[in-house]
Order: sequence, then C-alpha cells, then structure tokens
Amino acid sequence: SQELEQSPQSLIVQEGKNLTINCTSSKTLYGLYWYKQKYGEGLIFLMMLQKGGEEKSHEKITAKLDEKKQQSSLHITASQPSHAGIYLCGADIRAEKLVFGKGTKLTVNP
Amino acid sequence: DGGITQSPKYLFRKEGQNVTLSCEQNLNHDAMYWYRQDPGQGLRLIYYSQIVNDFQKGDIAEGYSVSREKKESFPLTVTSAQKNPTAFYLCASSLLYSGVYGYTFGSGTRLTVV
Repeated sequence: SQELEQSPQSLIVQEGKNLTINCTSSKTLYGLYWYKQKYGEGLIFLMMLQKGGEEKSHEKITAKLDEKKQQSSLHITASQPSHAGIYLCGADIRAEKLVFGKGTKLTVNP
Repeated sequence: DGGITQSPKYLFRKEGQNVTLSCEQNLNHDAMYWYRQDPGQGLRLIYYSQIVNDFQKGDIAEGYSVSREKKESFPLTVTSAQKNPTAFYLCASSLLYSGVYGYTFGSGTRLTVV
C-alpha cells in the first residue's frame, strides 16, 4: 500500500485560479517535503515542514502541516503557467529514508 | 557551486546488457539514494547508503546493484536481471539525520531499453 497518498492525481486550472494539493499519511510524519518537477528533470525543493501546525510560504505557494502531523496541503494562489509541473510530497516516515507520494500533475491554462 | 551531477542524461541499453549510471556529489553529504520514477508511480527507492562501503536495499532493489567506495560517488548498475529497466532514475543526497537540511536531487538519467 502507498504510504503517502496524494490527491488529486492531476489538476487542470485556468490561469489566475487558486488550487490545493493534499498529501496524507497513516503514520506520523517527522519531516514533510514538497518538491516540484518539470517532466524529465530533477526535483526542485519547495518547502519542508516539521512541526504540527507549521505553515510556510514562498511567493504564491503555501504549505501547511496539520496538528497531528499526518496531512499536508500545498496551496497555490493566483496560479500562473510557470506553476505547471508535477508536485511531489516526500516524508521521513521510516527512519533515514524519504518516501514519496505518486505526485500531482498540474496544468495551468492561459 | 555544490550539487549532484548525474550522467549521462540519456542512456540506451540493449537487452541483456548491464549499464551503469553515475552519480557524484560535492556537497559533503553523508547519505546518497537512488530512486526510480515511472509515469504515475511517483518515486520508488532502489538503494541507499549512509556511509562509505555500506548500503541498504530499498523497496525495489531486485535487478540493481550499487557501490559506495567514495563519499562523493554512488553509481547504480542496472543488470540484465532487471526485466523492465526503462524509467527515469534520480539520485539524491542528504546529511545524516537530514531533517533540517533536506535532500538534494540530481537532474536524472532516462534509461531506455532498445
């Protein structure tokens, strides 16, 4: 079974719209990472969350980790075509290893 | 600038051949990782190493081998035993107990069986 569930699998939005991507675990998350990937390229680090209730923002992207540290959300405000790509959440669930969700493919139509 | 270098960017393998993917980092990171990415599957861990001359199997190690003779280098060999090797391979590194510092990824190698 997948240790990290990401939803939705894909998302198509109109430029300027807000959107949210979720990442859920059945186990406590000790470190939750959000990455962005362009097709065929490496992962670009966005944010890392460690504490329950923590929230971080960078430009128009905000990530939150819930109090129980089992779910995180990534919110993009006023989406732009440059936001398009695959968003991956990764977590330290098992000691010393990073596991990933299956990713969310975001398309932003101009 | 510090970072991780993966080479080659594209690799083609004939049936029955072994191929080796290179991963080098100059970040002085202790741990290194290999992931495989297939469409719709996210990233799956193949092998990881936390110290020189030691490595551990990940979730999908069958058909792969690694070595860690130097701290900077963690090559991955895709053997002929790997029945479906066509995929995108990503290497990563981190400081041990990386919680605060996170993981750094290379730009990937796309392997295709021809």
